[in-house]
Amino acid sequence: GNSVTQMEGPVTLSEEAFLTINCTYTATGYPSLFWYVQYPGEGLQLLLKATKADDKGSNKGFEATYRKETTSFHLEKGSVQVSDSAVYFCALSSRNQGGKLIFGQGTELSVKP
Amino acid sequence: DVKVTQSSRYLVKRTGEKVFLECVQDMDHENMFWYRQDPGLGLRLIYFSYDVKMKEKGDIPEGYSVSREKKERFSLILESASTNQTSMYLCASSPISGGPLSYNEQFFGPGTRLTVL
Repeated sequence: GNSVTQMEGPVTLSEEAFLTINCTYTATGYPSLFWYVQYPGEGLQLLLKATKADDKGSNKGFEATYRKETTSFHLEKGSVQVSDSAVYFCALSSRNQGGKLIFGQGTELSVKP
Repeated sequence: DVKVTQSSRYLVKRTGEKVFLECVQDMDHENMFWYRQDPGLGLRLIYFSYDVKMKEKGDIPEGYSVSREKKERFSLILESASTNQTSMYLCASSPISGGPLSYNEQFFGPGTRLTVL
């Protein structure tokens, strides 16, 4: 079945460091891919998305490219801020899933000043 | 903006109590979902619904039931709460699969942190 695997956290970085959170997936067909973010005490909110191979999603300085050849959707940011401290979830959705999202386990990011 | 609201942010109940968690969305979405979130396990789907009075089991439905009497409201019911149901519960909604937002973005509520003593 479909699945998503993220790198384990927590990830601790200094402010202005480069961030990569790895995400790989297993899916039949052509899924859509998402990164969601959960700030402390809040629900999840969509950070970025990509709906087909080679698409790049971007938002708030974060980017991720849909790589079908490596079945990956790694999240990157060139210079993190303390305010980026949150839990990040990679997810996929396939048409044959009828609207359901499959989530990775989440990666906690902590950015220190 | 899409808004998904949940009836409580924090809830404390006793073992054996019947617990209702309410979720309301204001964007006329067909799909609604209930997840629980636990450290190290990510989000796990409990139940979902594609339409009024329709429900489907997710990955971990045991010990839970749901009700969807109106399109905008989706309730999660713990028939007899147990300590292993202490968790964060998240509700989400999305438009119908294949529609204008066919990549199935889900919109989440703020969550209810339930503690069962």
